[in-house]
Amino acid sequence: DTAVSQTPKYLVTQMGNDKSIKCEQNLGHDTMYWYKQDSKKFLKIMFSYNNKELIINETVPNRFSPKSPDKAHLNLHINSLELGDSAVYFCASSQGLYLSGYTFGSGTRLTVV
Amino acid sequence: EDKVVQSPLSLVVHEGDTVTLNCSYEVTNFRSLLWYKQEKKAPTFLFMLTSSGIEKKSGRLSSILDKKELFSILNITATQTGDSAVYLCANSGAGSYQLTFGKGTKLSVIP
Repeated sequence: DTAVSQTPKYLVTQMGNDKSIKCEQNLGHDTMYWYKQDSKKFLKIMFSYNNKELIINETVPNRFSPKSPDKAHLNLHINSLELGDSAVYFCASSQGLYLSGYTFGSGTRLTVV
Repeated sequence: EDKVVQSPLSLVVHEGDTVTLNCSYEVTNFRSLLWYKQEKKAPTFLFMLTSSGIEKKSGRLSSILDKKELFSILNITATQTGDSAVYLCANSGAGSYQLTFGKGTKLSVIP
């Protein structure tokens, strides 16, 4: 039983394409996140949703659009992909402010060619 | 802006050595500091520290927080090759829904 699952695990696509990454958690958590990890392993917050509402929207290009249809899902859609978007994208979840329960998905490695 | 700085950025040791990884931070209204271990995939949770001077221990790993000096250390004794990973430090401020991560320390343990 995977707690936070992301699909796909790997994504190779050409510049200019539009792609989506899906995330689902079965932990009953009310807060979900998208983090981007670059080639130097630096994890940086992109978005956070609490009870389906956007609460953190860091400075990312507006080509990135998160969508949370319900508390258990947070998807990430990326338009007009660029080479610099290549990274590993991690979904995570937590129960509100109790961040010790911060659980990561296994990541989606996006490669833009 | 909240900031987390880890040192060293990378470290190579032999099996059996003891290592100390450092994490200093700046955060508004500190609430917690967390350590994660990242091997090939997702970061896995190691410790959460909220109180100064209280050591958290799990097997050969231990961590302590100094809230006055704004730093934490992660100790690993009798290192094994399976300890090779990137160790991430992160903190959160009161009322914050996010963790701010440091850049990590890449530990390589050689036989």
